[in-house]
Amino acid sequence: DSGVTQTPKHLITATGQRVTLRCSPRSGDLSVYWYQQSLDQGLQFLIQYYNGEERAKGNILERFSAQQFPDLHSELNLSSLELGDSALYFCASSIGRALDSPLHFGNGTRLTVT
Amino acid sequence: TQLLEQSPQFLSIQEGENLTVYCNSSSVFSSLQWYRQEPGEGPVLLVTVVTGGEVKKLKRLTFQFGDARKDSSLHITAAQTGDTGLYLCAGGRYNQGGKLIFGQGTELSVKP
Repeated sequence: DSGVTQTPKHLITATGQRVTLRCSPRSGDLSVYWYQQSLDQGLQFLIQYYNGEERAKGNILERFSAQQFPDLHSELNLSSLELGDSALYFCASSIGRALDSPLHFGNGTRLTVT
Repeated sequence: TQLLEQSPQFLSIQEGENLTVYCNSSSVFSSLQWYRQEPGEGPVLLVTVVTGGEVKKLKRLTFQFGDARKDSSLHITAAQTGDTGLYLCAGGRYNQGGKLIFGQGTELSVKP
């Protein structure tokens, strides 16, 4: 158990809809990361927050947004969903804001867009 | 753009055999990490290497970071069925926060 909690575990929704994925980091971790894993693209970095502030950004679509709240949990919002957004979405957390802190991944949210 | 190339993509071997997985890039990384992922779970960090030429051992697993910090390898000695899983390498740069670029992974199957 990594200590990172992601909800829900599975999500099935239709194209055009909007969903929110939630992540609770390990106790004491200040950084939260979001990754997307698909069969053809592998694990792709979306965004990192450190103590409530955006720290690093990947190729995150404009339809996607995230935030980290004062209690350090994070939410990833996906809107105007397309079939291609179907993927596993992982949240990870670490103590620090850079590479010197090991990442701990949650077990992901499997999103299916029909 | 895929900046980290892993090979082979798939590997099926018998228990007791040795194997090596490669992770190559044309770019320099500040840090190279190896993860193992099992079905239905998130990746779990195995090791981090940061110095060119560095070698780290974790029981039967040996990790090496290339001298130029552009490539890495994972060698498993006397593989066991419990080593089965997806092995991922990931590179990061200090000027990019905690962002990691992942390779496509090597799917290892160890048969009894």
